[in-house]
This record gives sequence, structure tokens and C-alpha cells, in this order.
Amino acid sequence: KQEVTQIPAALSVPEGENLVLNCSFTDSAIYNLQWFRQDPGKGLTSLLLIQSSQREQTSGRLNASLDKSSGRSTLYIAASQPGDSATYLCAVNFANAGKSTFGDGTTLTVKP
Amino acid sequence: NAGVTQTPKFRILKIGQSMTLQCAQDMNHNYMYWYRQDPGMGLKLIYYSVGAGITDKGEVPNGYNVSRSTTEDFPLRLELAAPSQTSVYFCASSSTGINQPQHFGDGTRLSIL
Repeated sequence: KQEVTQIPAALSVPEGENLVLNCSFTDSAIYNLQWFRQDPGKGLTSLLLIQSSQREQTSGRLNASLDKSSGRSTLYIAASQPGDSATYLCAVNFANAGKSTFGDGTTLTVKP
Repeated sequence: NAGVTQTPKFRILKIGQSMTLQCAQDMNHNYMYWYRQDPGMGLKLIYYSVGAGITDKGEVPNGYNVSRSTTEDFPLRLELAAPSQTSVYFCASSSTGINQPQHFGDGTRLSIL
């Protein structure tokens, strides 16, 4: 079964720390992987999309990496700010699945 | 630029009632999706559409129906509401499918009592 796992479910850090969020998946045959941010009571905002041929993508303070062989992706957030507090979800598009499989998310709290 | 618009934002239904969740996008995207998100969980795909007149089932289609008569609109219908359908429903769209980013609406929070 194709599954996506995000551990830990919750993470609390002081402002200014660099941090890494993890996403693991069970099948290395993927089209791409997408990281989203979800604020309370809101929809999902796309942060980064990594195609299967890519190793990483960067946007501002965010850097996402992809290692298909080990079934892992990380989202690195540099110099965290209270405004980064949100739930971060990863979604994997497995080959031949035709749909996205989402992890349950990591809820990040950045304390001032 | 409105993006993906969902209505209503909140709704309470009684068991056995029916309703339609509306979704509209103004980005001329071919692909549209309906997901549900239960508390503390990720999203599960209910139905999706690759273009007007074409729809297909996702992971959890039972109890729901969809139609896609235009590129812009993708309504989701609940025929006989059950407590298990209490959830937050998200509509999303993308231009050419899973190789492009999905754009999400703000969701409809539905309670079945």
C-alpha cells in the first residue's frame, strides 16, 4: 500500500531556530512531491513542488529536498518566525496512482 | 484573482438531509478535485475530474456524487447525510494534473447531527 508518513505530529521551537520537517513514503516510484502549509480554518497553500527528477527546490527561507531511493523528503525552514506557525503537509503523487496521497501533517509552533 | 471559491463556508445538516457543496475556479484549470479532511488527519480524495464531462472516483467516494458540466464548476452532492460525513471538505484545481501544483479553496466545514 502506498503511504505517506510525517513525524513528528507536532513540533515546538523558539524563534530564530533552523528546523527540519520530515516526510517519508513507501514507494520510490513517484511523479513528484508537494509541500503545503495550512493555517487554522484555512485551505492549503502550496509551498514547493519537487518533480521526481529533481533533488531540491528553494523558495525564500524554505528548502525542500527529495531522496526517492530512501523514500524521504525534508522541508528545511531557516531562521524560523512566529508567522511560520502552521500545519505543514506533504503530498506524494505515486506513479500509476493518478492521485495525491497526503501525510497527516506536522503542526509547527514557533514561540517568540 | 479569486482562485478557487467554495460555498458555503459552514453548514449543519440533519441526518438524512441532502446538500450540494459548490466549488468554482477562475484559472481555466482542467483538473479539479474534492477532498475531505478529518480532524488531525491528512486529506482523502473523494472524486476528481480531468475536464468538463469527465469525472472519476477517488479513495472515499461512497455517499457522494459529482458533476462537471463546465470547466469552472465542480459541485459535490451529499444525498443522504450521515454522521460519518462530518468533516472539512476542500476543493482544489490544477492546470494539467498531478505534475502541476494544486490550488485549494478555503474549505466547507460540515457537521451532520
